[in-house]
Amino acid sequence: NAGVTQTPKFQVLKTGQSMTLQCAQDMNHEYMSWYRQDPGMGLRLIHYSVGAGITDQGEVPNGYNVSRSTTEDFPLRLLSAAPSQTSVYFCASSKRRTAFTDTQYFGPGTRLTVL
Amino acid sequence: GESVGLHLPTLSVQEGDNSIINCAYSNSASDYFIWYKQESGKGPQFIIDIRSNMDKRQGQRVTVLLNKTVKHLSLQIAATQPGDSAVYFCAETLTGGGNKLTFGTGTQLKVEL
Repeated sequence: NAGVTQTPKFQVLKTGQSMTLQCAQDMNHEYMSWYRQDPGMGLRLIHYSVGAGITDQGEVPNGYNVSRSTTEDFPLRLLSAAPSQTSVYFCASSKRRTAFTDTQYFGPGTRLTVL
Repeated sequence: GESVGLHLPTLSVQEGDNSIINCAYSNSASDYFIWYKQESGKGPQFIIDIRSNMDKRQGQRVTVLLNKTVKHLSLQIAATQPGDSAVYFCAETLTGGGNKLTFGTGTQLKVEL
C-alpha cells in the first residue's frame, strides 16, 4: 500500500489563482480530512469526510472547498488564493467513521506559498 | 474557546536519558487524547493514545499519563535516541463530538549525543 499520498509537494500561487491539492489513499479508509499547519500553531482542521458523498466543515473552512466522489480521493480546492492561505497542508485518513478511536494516517504534506 | 497547549516549546535531552513532554488541555469534556510525532518535512505520525477512563498507558518505550484533575497530559520517552528528535503534538477530542481533533502547538525535542 502507498498509504496517503499528496500532490504536489510544493506549489507557489499568485493571489487570486485557483488550484486543487490532491489527496488519495489506498487503504479503503472511510474517514479523510484536511489540515493546515502554520508556524507556532497546531494543525487546524479545514474539512473532513466520513465517507463518499459526505463532507463537513472543520475549524477553518473559509476559502476552501472539498468533495468526496470516491472513497479513495479527497481533493481540496482553493478558489481564489490569498496570502493568508500560505501554509503546509496535510491530508489524513483513518479506517472507520469514528476517526479518533482509530489511527489516523497522514500524508507527507503540500507546502503552499501564495504571493 | 477551548484550546490545547504545551508547557515547553523546546526540550533538549542527552541520548539515553528519559524525556518528558507535557501538555495542558482546557476542555474538561474531552475524553480521548493522542500523541503524534512529526519529523522534519513529514506528516504527523501516531505514537500512542489514551482514553479518559485511564490514567496511564504504555507502549514501546513510550508512556502517556493523564491527570484529569489538573487537565494535564504527558508523554514519557524512555532511553531517548537520536531518532526521537522531532516535534511532538498532543491532541484532544470528544468522541462522538463531530470527529474533530484539537491539536496543541507542539514541542521540539532535541536529542544531544
